Amino acid sequence: EIVMTQSPATLSVSPGERATLSCRASQSVGSNLAWYQQKPGQAPRLLINGASTRATDIPARFSGSGSGTEFTLTISSLQSEDFAVYYCQQYNNRPQTFGQGTKVEIK
Amino acid sequence: QVQFVQSGAEVKKPGASVKVSCKAFGYSFSTYAIHWVRQAPGQGLECMGWINPGNGNKIYTERFRDRVSFTSDTSAGTVYMDLSSLRIEDTAVYYCARGPTYSGYDFWGQGTLVTVSS
Repeated sequence: EIVMTQSPATLSVSPGERATLSCRASQSVGSNLAWYQQKPGQAPRLLINGASTRATDIPARFSGSGSGTEFTLTISSLQSEDFAVYYCQQYNNRPQTFGQGTKVEIK
Repeated sequence: QVQFVQSGAEVKKPGASVKVSCKAFGYSFSTYAIHWVRQAPGQGLECMGWINPGNGNKIYTERFRDRVSFTSDTSAGTVYMDLSSLRIEDTAVYYCARGPTYSGYDFWGQGTLVTVSS
């Protein structure tokens, strides 16, 4: 099973600032990586597919990069609605696995 | 529009079974796999496996393989997840989600809370 490790566990950021979240895979997953946003009491929402392709209706301030084992999600200028938990997921190998999440909180 | 509606919350005793349904709307039901993901209280997301309603193929994550079963009813546009021999630690929100081949999950159900308590 591929282990996905996200860092940091919690990121404190002021509105308008840039946030950079990391995700590392225990072995290469190519570009078969997705990012999700989850708010309390809600289902996850797909943000990024194929490591760098924004999903439908996702604002341009969200961008993804990386391949192989190292990936990054960047939120260029945090808005109030962006404070949430973010998960990465690899879908290259079975079982598909998620990272443990990064909570982005208001500084 | 694409939407998934799941069945309501359940409370079960240890050792019992639970069946959660997930009804799809707004797309050709047989075209995409449906994945099941669970989330224990305050915890992260865990894949349980998936079913392809088009051909009935199923993949189960190893740790659930002996207790979980996925079925689909194409005429009703619904998939089901059965989990047996419930334990306290199975208390979680269970989600269904659409998963195109080699893609993340683009649409999710609202989740079903299953509480296992004596």
